[in-house]
Amino acid sequence: KQEVTQIPAALSVPEGENLVLNCSFTDSAIYNLQWFRQDPGKGLTSLLLIQSSQREQTSGRLNASLDKSSGRSTLYIAASQPGDSATYLCAVRGQAGTALIFGKGTTLSVSS
Amino acid sequence: GAVVSQHPSRVICKSGTSVKIECRSLDFQATTMFWYRQFPKQSLMLMATSNEGSKATYEQGVEKDKFLINHASLTLSTLTVTSAHPEDSSFYICSALAGGENQYFGPGTRLLVL
Repeated sequence: KQEVTQIPAALSVPEGENLVLNCSFTDSAIYNLQWFRQDPGKGLTSLLLIQSSQREQTSGRLNASLDKSSGRSTLYIAASQPGDSATYLCAVRGQAGTALIFGKGTTLSVSS
Repeated sequence: GAVVSQHPSRVICKSGTSVKIECRSLDFQATTMFWYRQFPKQSLMLMATSNEGSKATYEQGVEKDKFLINHASLTLSTLTVTSAHPEDSSFYICSALAGGENQYFGPGTRLLVL
């Protein structure tokens, strides 16, 4: 059974710092991996989707990498801002058409 | 982009009553929808996979007689929490699968059972 782990569980940084969120998964046979953002009491916002054949994806200040063989992904946030404060969720899909399996998330707080 | 709606967004009910939550894909057809549950400060836990025109597949530990899922059309799936109890209070999120790999999420329904 696939298990997704995210480290750290919580992170507090001052504005402007670059930071890395980590995600690991136990079964490396994945179809794709996705990073989401969730604000308190709200739904999910998709940030980046990485197919199993890809190594990384970038969107603005966000960069996600995937090392499928080692079962790891990282989300890099450059020049963090207070508006980045949220919970970041990593999720993997084992096969096309199946559900995403989520980690517990990393709660980020960026202070001004 | 694809939009998934949920209704209601928030519901408060008395213990023992049943609550129905609707999930709609607004601008695409979804043969597969998923239902998740999220407890405070926890991650999303997959409850069941709903396929249009067939019975839902439930994850281990999820009671199918308590959480009734109906996927009657390509744009609508419903989750009914039967005889709800306070421990069923949670945030329920549906998502619809488009093209086999893009999973779009609804805004969630917060259920509070008194």
